Amino acid sequence: AQSVTQLDSHVSVSEGTPVLLRCNYSSSYSPSLFWYVQHPNKGLQLLLKYTSAATLVKGINGFEAEFKKSETSFHLTKPSAHMSDAAEYFCVVRGLNYGGSQGNLIFGKGTKLSVKP
Amino acid sequence: KAGVTQTPRYLIKTRGQQVTLSCSPISGHRSVSWYQQTPGQGLQFLFEYFSETQRNKGNFPGRFSGRQFSNSRSEMNVSTLELGDSALYLCASSRGDRSSYNEQFFGPGTRLTVL
Repeated sequence: AQSVTQLDSHVSVSEGTPVLLRCNYSSSYSPSLFWYVQHPNKGLQLLLKYTSAATLVKGINGFEAEFKKSETSFHLTKPSAHMSDAAEYFCVVRGLNYGGSQGNLIFGKGTKLSVKP
Repeated sequence: KAGVTQTPRYLIKTRGQQVTLSCSPISGHRSVSWYQQTPGQGLQFLFEYFSETQRNKGNFPGRFSGRQFSNSRSEMNVSTLELGDSALYLCASSRGDRSSYNEQFFGPGTRLTVL
């Protein structure tokens, strides 16, 4: 079965410093992985997705993630945090149905990112 | 292109009542998925509809049901509401093909409070 584990429930950084949000996945197949962001009282927005074309995936707002099969990780990074990055971030894997067809999205528990001035 | 819309945005009900939530997907999208978000359980998949048929189902009791109309709009219904049903209910739409990278676009959610 597919699953994701977000290693930190809360990360706090200062504005202008790097951001690292950690995610490990479990999958018996080549996984489909995503990062979503949720700002307070807003819906979820896709930041980036792993398409297997490249292990380093670039997303919106300066975020990127690196797929590392040997470490089963898909950590999200950003070189310099901005106040507007404060939100909750979800690492997501797409499940597989019986028979191998693509299933629903399976969400991690989320990491709340705080950005201090 | 208009995004995913959900109505109502906020709802207050009492235990034992039933509720119907509505979701209008992005034009051209044929798949609609529903998720429940709570502080304790996080985001959990309820079900997915594609071309008016339920294609996937999560692990929720039968009190939770849904349907999809020919214009791809979807509704979900919760009967005999319990306090634990208080949550943010999110709807997501996608093209619906079986691509691994089939992106889901989320609506703003309906905040349901059960008293």
